[in-house]
Amino acid sequence: EVQLVESGGGLVQPGRSLKLSCAASGFTFSNYYMAWVRQAPKKGLEWVATISTSGSRTYYPDSVKGRFTISRDNAKSSLYLQMNSLKSEDTATYYCARHDGGYWGQGVMVTVSS
Amino acid sequence: DIQMTQSPSSLPASLGDRVTITCRASQDIGNYLRWFQQKPGKSPRLMIYGATNLAAGVPSRFSGSRSGSDYSLTINSLESEDMAIYYCLQHNEYPNTFGAGTKLELK
Repeated sequence: EVQLVESGGGLVQPGRSLKLSCAASGFTFSNYYMAWVRQAPKKGLEWVATISTSGSRTYYPDSVKGRFTISRDNAKSSLYLQMNSLKSEDTATYYCARHDGGYWGQGVMVTVSS
Repeated sequence: DIQMTQSPSSLPASLGDRVTITCRASQDIGNYLRWFQQKPGKSPRLMIYGATNLAAGVPSRFSGSRSGSDYSLTINSLESEDMAIYYCLQHNEYPNTFGAGTKLELK
């Protein structure tokens, strides 16, 4: 059974950093592009980042480019999202997802507030 | 960036109805279009990939189609479990972009 389990969310002050993790199981993690998608409270879905199988290529929208860094450890079947210089508008539930869209984690809440 | 204009934003419907949700792409995205269903408090679920292909485990009353830059999700014979928010996603190029969502609700 495929599982994606996020962790690392919480309350953080504006300007601070937070690192999310996603533990994958049930599939060959190293064979798949992976992504992070977020959803602000009562809002729609927003794609946040994608990483290639080896980690050599990463992609971001302008809203997070330069502040967020996606990475992976294929040996640990884990995906990460380092979030720096956090803003109130980054408040959202963050989902780890296989890039083909077929599998998603349960989501982890990040609240940026003083 | 490619804009995905999704309509309608809200769709009241009755059980047994046939409903259609549409996304219009601002640029060519080929068939790199997916549809997701999201229920309250749940993660999104892939319904359609490649614009027209049914994802695993999705009931056959769901279908996807394309006409030029317009992509549609159709649900035949609506059931109560179909009440949810539906999103389209283009993944032809980065940044990948979602439509704003369509809330399907009982009339």
